[in-house]
Amino acid sequence: EVQLLESGGGLVQPGGSLRLSCAASGFTFSSYAMSWVRQAPGGGLEWVSAIASSGGNTYYADSVKGRFTISRDNSKNTLYLQMNSLRGEDTALYYCAKDLRSSWYYLDSWGQGTLVTVSS
Amino acid sequence: EIVMTQSPATLSVSPGERATLSCRASQSVSSNLAWYQQKPGQAPRLLIYGASTRATGIPDRFSGGGSGTEFTLTISSPQSEDFAVYYCQQCSNWPGTFGQGTKVEIK
Repeated sequence: EVQLLESGGGLVQPGGSLRLSCAASGFTFSSYAMSWVRQAPGGGLEWVSAIASSGGNTYYADSVKGRFTISRDNSKNTLYLQMNSLRGEDTALYYCAKDLRSSWYYLDSWGQGTLVTVSS
Repeated sequence: EIVMTQSPATLSVSPGERATLSCRASQSVSSNLAWYQQKPGQAPRLLIYGASTRATGIPDRFSGGGSGTEFTLTISSPQSEDFAVYYCQQCSNWPGTFGQGTKVEIK
């Protein structure tokens, strides 16, 4: 069974930083692309970032480009999202999601999310 | 960025009554479209990908159709557990944009 467990969320001041982690199990982590998708309170879904299975290709939404960095450690089955220069509009539940294939495509498994709140 | 527009925003249906949800893309996405279901307090779940292929474990009362810019998700006979919010998503061009969602509620 695929399991994705996010951690690292919390309350941070504007301009601050957080690092999210996603521990994966139940599948061959190194074979699949992984993504971060966020959902603002009461809002819809926004695909924040994706990374190919090898880590060689990364993708970012314009809203986070230059501030967020996605990475993965295939030896540890873990996905990361380094978030810098955080803004109020980054407040959201951040989901880690597994893709159907080695590059970004469709998200067939999701974690339960970790909440990031940016506020002074 | 490709904009995905879903309609209606809310769909009220009686259990067992066919429900049809629509999704329109601002430019052609071919068949690179998925549908997700999200229940309150839960993560989204992949229902349909490639516009018409059901994901693993999805009941056959869910069906997807369309290509290009116009897509539909049909729930042939909604059960109580199907009342939720449904999102479409394109993966033709990065970023993989989602629609704003359609809430399917009990009439």
